[in-house]
Amino acid sequence: AQSVTQLGSHVSVSEGALVLLRCNYSSSVPPYLFWYVQYPNQGLQLLLKYTTGATLVKGINGFEAEFKKSETSFHLTKPSAHMSDAAEYFCAVSASGGGADGLTFGKGTHLIIQP
Amino acid sequence: KAGVTQTPRYLIKTRGQQVTLSCSPISGHRSVSWYQQTPGQGLQFLFEYFSETQRNKGNFPGRFSGRQFSNSRSEMNVSTLELGDSALYLCASSLGGSGRAKNEQFFGPGTRLTVL
Repeated sequence: AQSVTQLGSHVSVSEGALVLLRCNYSSSVPPYLFWYVQYPNQGLQLLLKYTTGATLVKGINGFEAEFKKSETSFHLTKPSAHMSDAAEYFCAVSASGGGADGLTFGKGTHLIIQP
Repeated sequence: KAGVTQTPRYLIKTRGQQVTLSCSPISGHRSVSWYQQTPGQGLQFLFEYFSETQRNKGNFPGRFSGRQFSNSRSEMNVSTLELGDSALYLCASSLGGSGRAKNEQFFGPGTRLTVL
């Protein structure tokens, strides 16, 4: 069984500041890890994913995440926040990459960008 | 290539009614998954279909059912609607089959169901 914990239901940063969204996971097998973004009244868009190999994963819109097995973490970062980054962010885990097993999501973090 | 489409986008029903939601996957994708999103429970996996067969099901009552057609389009049905079924229902498609890349899921915009 898998589970995901996202620390902070709301995170507020100033435009141009570092964005850090925290995600910790639990998995009985080597996990596949994902970050999705959801804008109002829209579906989920994949930001980045970790399957195997390099632990630092780069995604779209300048986001990246680092898989740390020892800390069971997969935190999302962006060096400089932009107003367009304001959205809901979801961390997800899967045993098989999201196919038959489905994705297990965290509760989400609402990112607020202050001008 | 067109993305995942879901119809209708918005739906209002009353308690006790039933509802059918439709999902058309990306062309060539054979796996379709359904998720329920609510403010209280977040995003929860409902079920997944691949080549017209349900391969996995989440922890939902039997009132929630689905099917997949030979063209990979999928429908989900909720019978005897309850107030708590009000949610955004998201569909996701993937290539399916073996291999990590084939399981990357692409989500549709969702159907917003309101039960009165």
